[in-house]
Amino acid sequence: DGGITQSPKYLFRKEGQNVTLSCEQNLNHDAMYWYRQDPGQGLRLIYYSQIVNDFQKGDIAEGYSVSREKKESFPLTVTSAQKNPTAFYLCASSIPEQGDYGYTFGSGTRLTVV
Amino acid sequence: AQKITQTQPGMFVQEKEAVTLDCTYDTSDQSYGLFWYKQPSSGEMIFLIYQGSYDEQNATEGRYSLNFQKARKSANLVISASQLGDSAMYFCAMREARTYKYIFGTGTRLKVLA
Repeated sequence: DGGITQSPKYLFRKEGQNVTLSCEQNLNHDAMYWYRQDPGQGLRLIYYSQIVNDFQKGDIAEGYSVSREKKESFPLTVTSAQKNPTAFYLCASSIPEQGDYGYTFGSGTRLTVV
Repeated sequence: AQKITQTQPGMFVQEKEAVTLDCTYDTSDQSYGLFWYKQPSSGEMIFLIYQGSYDEQNATEGRYSLNFQKARKSANLVISASQLGDSAMYFCAMREARTYKYIFGTGTRLKVLA
């Protein structure tokens, strides 16, 4: 079955470490997105990519980096520059031009700084 | 600036009754899409319903309907015959026409009472 796979489900990071969250999709979707979710704040866009080898900053890109070398993959690196990385991270994909078709979301990665 | 507002942090509803979750939006675009997602405690985001800005009829999907009032810029979700499994966070979202990015509200936590 087609879908989006995020791994790991839970991730613990020490202060000062970089960590990479994986997002893989087999839906042949062109666009992929990373969102951060904090309690009471809904989802905020970190980065998005509409085609391979191209990506744009979202609203809260500072302290994060991404790459889009393959259509299927859009990994997110949380760098040591991100001051408060503890959050729930959701990856999504879509066919941008498709009208009533919303995002397909992964099941999320919960990152905790220890 | 584009914005989604959900003013109800939490709602209670008795099982088998209907409930309305409020959503207002702000945009200067003529073409946009409005979505509702459900997020159970597991964290996954489940697409519920979509309304296009040019759709004249309110969208319906099973027990879900979207009360779209364009002049008032509101897109309220109505859940009929509530079930215990409807207990979750509900997010209203708007898709920007040019970038296809989604903007999310802060969510409403619904609790269905037996």
